[in-house]
Amino acid sequence: QSALTQPPSASGSPGQSVTISCTGTSSDVGAYIYVSWYQQHPGKAPKLLIYEVNKRPSGVPERFFGSKSGNTASLTVSGLQAEDEADYYCNSYAGSNNHVIFGGGTKLTVL
Amino acid sequence: EVQLVESGGGLVQPGRSLRLSCAASGFTFEHYAMHWVRQAPGKGLEWVSGLNWSSGTIAYADSVKGRFTISRDNAKTSLYLQMNSLRVEDTALYYCVKDRHGWGTAFEYWGQGALVTVSS
Repeated sequence: QSALTQPPSASGSPGQSVTISCTGTSSDVGAYIYVSWYQQHPGKAPKLLIYEVNKRPSGVPERFFGSKSGNTASLTVSGLQAEDEADYYCNSYAGSNNHVIFGGGTKLTVL
Repeated sequence: EVQLVESGGGLVQPGRSLRLSCAASGFTFEHYAMHWVRQAPGKGLEWVSGLNWSSGTIAYADSVKGRFTISRDNAKTSLYLQMNSLRVEDTALYYCVKDRHGWGTAFEYWGQGALVTVSS
C-alpha cells in the first residue's frame, strides 16, 4: 500500500484553529474505523492523540478533534497553543496482509 | 505504568545482521499485539512489522519482508526484531509499540527507540 497523503505543513496563530487532512483509499481510511493521529515533538517518541477516528485517550485535551469523511480523515486543533507546534502523523489499518500505513506527516507551526 | 525499552541498536555494515529487543512492563504482555515502527533521520514514520500472539497474526512491510523476523517471548515479556541483509536504507530509529487492542487499532504506547545505522 502507498502512504496516506498529508499536507507537509500547516500553520496558525495562537487561539486559532487548524485542520490537517489525511487522504487514503477505500481499502484503508475509507474502510475501517481504525484511523489514528499522533503528535511528535522534536527528539521525542510519537504520542497517541486520537484513535478510532475521533476518540481521545485520557489526558488529551478536547482541543484535539478527529473526524472522517469517505477516504479522508481530519485532525482539527482548536485554540492553538505554542506547545502544539510539532509533527502530526495519521495512520490506518489497511486490511490486506494486515498492514498498517502512515501518512507522510504534517509539520504544524504556531505563528 | 506501561514501559517499553528498546536495546540492541548500533552501527552495522550493509549485508550484516542485527537483533533488536524490547522489554515490556506494566501490562499483560501476551494479551496485546506488538509492533515495530521506524523513522529514518529527518523522515516520517513507517510501520515495519507486527505480531499478535493471541491470534497468531504476523505481518511485515513489503520493504523488509523476507529479511526481518519478528518474535516475542511472553515469559520474558519481550519483543524482538531480527534484521538480516541490512541495507543503507534501513538506517532509522526503531520504536517498539504496543497496540491498543486487536491489530492495528492504534499505537497506544511507544518506547524511546533504538538507533540502527547501516553504513560501510
